[in-house]
Formats: sequence, structure tokens, C-alpha cells
Amino acid sequence: AQSVAQPEDQVNVAEGNPLTVKCTYSVSGNPYLFWYVQYPNRGLQFLLKYITGDNLVKGSYGFEAEFNKSQTSFHLKKPSALVSDSALYFCAVRDKDTNAGKSTFGDGTTLTVKP
Amino acid sequence: EPEVTQTPSHQVTQMGQEVILRCVPISNHLYFYWYRQILGQKVEFLVSFYNNEISEKSEIFDDQFSVERPDGSNFTLKIRSTKLEDSAMYFCASSVLASGTDTQYFGPGTRLTVL
Repeated sequence: AQSVAQPEDQVNVAEGNPLTVKCTYSVSGNPYLFWYVQYPNRGLQFLLKYITGDNLVKGSYGFEAEFNKSQTSFHLKKPSALVSDSALYFCAVRDKDTNAGKSTFGDGTTLTVKP
Repeated sequence: EPEVTQTPSHQVTQMGQEVILRCVPISNHLYFYWYRQILGQKVEFLVSFYNNEISEKSEIFDDQFSVERPDGSNFTLKIRSTKLEDSAMYFCASSVLASGTDTQYFGPGTRLTVL
């Protein structure tokens, strides 16, 4: 079984400061990891994914995430937060060794960036 | 950029009524999914669909639910007899492949309200 934990319901940062949204995962095989963002009344927008290779992956809107196998983590980061980054962020995992592509999502973390 | 579309954006129905939620996946995608998000909760997998067959379904996807691709472009989710607890945002997603590496692209969602 695969699972994802996002330990923080809410993250608050000041504009211009770095931000981190945490995610840890559990899968039986090798993980494929994804971050999505959801703005109010909108669908899920894909930000980035880790499949293999470099542990640091870069995605849309200046976001990046670091895969850490020993800590089973995939934290989302951005060096300088914008007010427009305020949204709900979801981490998702898929087990490399399963078919059908089912994604398992975390509970989500609300990011608020204050001016 | 191609995107997944969903109609209607909001559906209100009486308990016990049938509803059909519609999705148009991205045109070259072969795998289709339905997820739901009860207000304030995580995004949950319902079903995946490929080649006119269900590939995988969750325990949520009971006999009240069905999916089909009636005409080669639309992908529908039917709930035969809605319950209050079916009230949620329903997201359709599609991907080129079902492999773990392939990104699932989500539609904007249909908010279903069961009264």
C-alpha cells in the first residue's frame, strides 16, 4: 500500500522569504512523486515530479523539490515566495511497480504568503 | 496548451437521483481517471479506465458508480442513486500512459451537491 503524509496543515511565510512544504511517503517499491497546486475553485495543477536521476527536481513557477530516499521525503521548496503562491499544495505518490497509475494524495498543505 | 475539461461545473441534485458527470480528456491521452475531494479533505482515487475497461477501482467505487467512454471523446462518471455523502468535488484526469512516470492532468472539477 502507498501513502503520503503532509505533516503541516498550514504554512505561513512572508513574501520574499524561502518556503518549504513538507511531504513524506511510503511505498512498497520505488516511488514516483508529484506535487500539485490547487487555487480556490480550480482543479489540480501539476507542478513537478520525481521519477529518477537528480534528487533535486525543478518545476513550474520557480518551485523545486528534493527527493531524499533515506528520509522518504519529497519536500517542496521555493527560494523566494510570492503572494500569488498562496494556495493549497498536494503531494502525491505512485508505486513504480504497480499498474493503472493510481495516485495517492496527501491531505494537503495551505500555503499563505503575506506581503 | 491542451487541457481536460469537465461539465457541469456545479450540479445540485436530490438524494436518490441519478447524476452523470462529464469529462473531455486531452485528445491523445489513453488513460482516464476519476478522483473526488470531499470538502476540506484529501483527494481520493475512485477509478482508472483504459481501452474501455476499468483498470483499477477503489473501495469507494461501489455498484452505485459506473464509468464509460460513450463516443471516443467524452468520459463519464454516473452515480445511480446519489447519497448525501456523495457531495464532493469530482475531478477527472487523463494521462498518455498508465505508468507511474506519466503525469496525470486534472480538469477543473465538478462540484456535486446532494440535498
